[in-house]
This record gives sequence, C-alpha cells and structure tokens, in this order.
Amino acid sequence: GAVVSQHPSRVICKSGTSVKIECRSLDFQATTMFWYRQFPKQSLMLMATSNEGSKATYEQGVEKDKFLINHASLTLSTLTVTSAHPEDSSFYICSATSLGRQETQYFGPGTRLLVL
Amino acid sequence: GESVGLHLPTLSVQEGDNSIINCAYSNSASDYFIWYKQESGKGPQFIIDIRSNMDKRQGQRVTVLLNKTVKHLSLQIAATQPGDSAVYFCAEKDMGRRALTFGSGTRLQVQP
Repeated sequence: GAVVSQHPSRVICKSGTSVKIECRSLDFQATTMFWYRQFPKQSLMLMATSNEGSKATYEQGVEKDKFLINHASLTLSTLTVTSAHPEDSSFYICSATSLGRQETQYFGPGTRLLVL
Repeated sequence: GESVGLHLPTLSVQEGDNSIINCAYSNSASDYFIWYKQESGKGPQFIIDIRSNMDKRQGQRVTVLLNKTVKHLSLQIAATQPGDSAVYFCAEKDMGRRALTFGSGTRLQVQP
C-alpha cells in the first residue's frame, strides 16, 4: 500500500518551454501532497505544500508563478515548470500523506528534468 | 565526518557488520522523526519513524534511537547487506507544520 507514482520519469525540454509533472497516489487518498526538488548530492528541499481544492503554500524563495501547482483531486497533483531555464534542471520529487496517517510521507520515484 | 559543499559524508562498512548513521537536529519543536533510504535516481523510501515521546523503536534489522536532550537521532542497521547501500536521510516534523525538514544525508557503502 501507499504507492505514489510520478509521470514522466525523465523529461528533456528546450529553454523557454513549460513542463508538467504529475504526481498520483495509487492506492490511497492523499489529503496533502508535497513537492520537493533535489540537486545532485544534496538533500531534498521543500518547494510547496498543496491540499486538494485549495491554493498551494510555497516555501520562501520559490516563485509561485514559475512553479504552478494544481491539486485537483485527492489522488492527483501537478507541478508545471513554466518558461523553464537550464538552472531549473533538477530532480523533482512529490510525496503524499493519507487521511489515516497524516505524518508519514510516501514519496514518488521522482522526475528528472533537463532543460537545454 | 561533516559534509562540506556538495560532498555527502560517507560511511563504509563490511557486509555483515552493523551500521550506525547519525543525525543532529536543531528544532526543539520537532515531534516526529523519520529515516528514509534513497537509492540513486529514485525517490526516498520510508524505513522507520519515531515520535518524540519515545527514545527507541525497532523494526526489521533497523533501530532508531532518539536523544531529545542533545537533539540527536541515529539509525542502526544490523547485519548490513550490499542492498543497504544508498543515501540515508533523517527528516523531522515540527509540531506546528505538516512538512518535513530533511537532513543533509549520509551515503552508506557496503563492501562485500
């Protein structure tokens, strides 16, 4: 149980384009989903927290107009990187908590984004 | 040792030995702690958690110890196997927040 998937697993795009990453909880309803980014050999840095049907809460320093988050249902959250630049290249990971266990976060497999 | 810049501290052990990975935290308001294992190119995998009202919790081959006095958390892996090779992160949750704060990570290398 508690499986989280992400799609795509890898994406390469041109500078200036937008990229959408999906995060799905496959066997549970996710009350809250989190988006992280991770640079090579570094830890996970929280970008934003989203609840179904409400606006995401962004961490300090994360541009909400650049990283658009939509949490339309209890099983799906999307992160759209708008006007991507090479410095946005990173490993993006989502996580989700369930109604029954709101403290334990279950992580997706991550999405590797490379912006050329 | 300390991590400097982009270099993760590395713990190298022989297969079959016990491993101890340490983590220091600074937030006195943290009331929940988790250890995650991350293999290369994958998302973090839950290993074990502990609440602040406990000082020890055991799982299968793993034990987490919490010392709130010195704000220290450790993960003990018994009979370490090559499949245990990965980066291990501790994470803490402030009682007033939903999000986790991750530590810097330790790379565990198991020598066959």
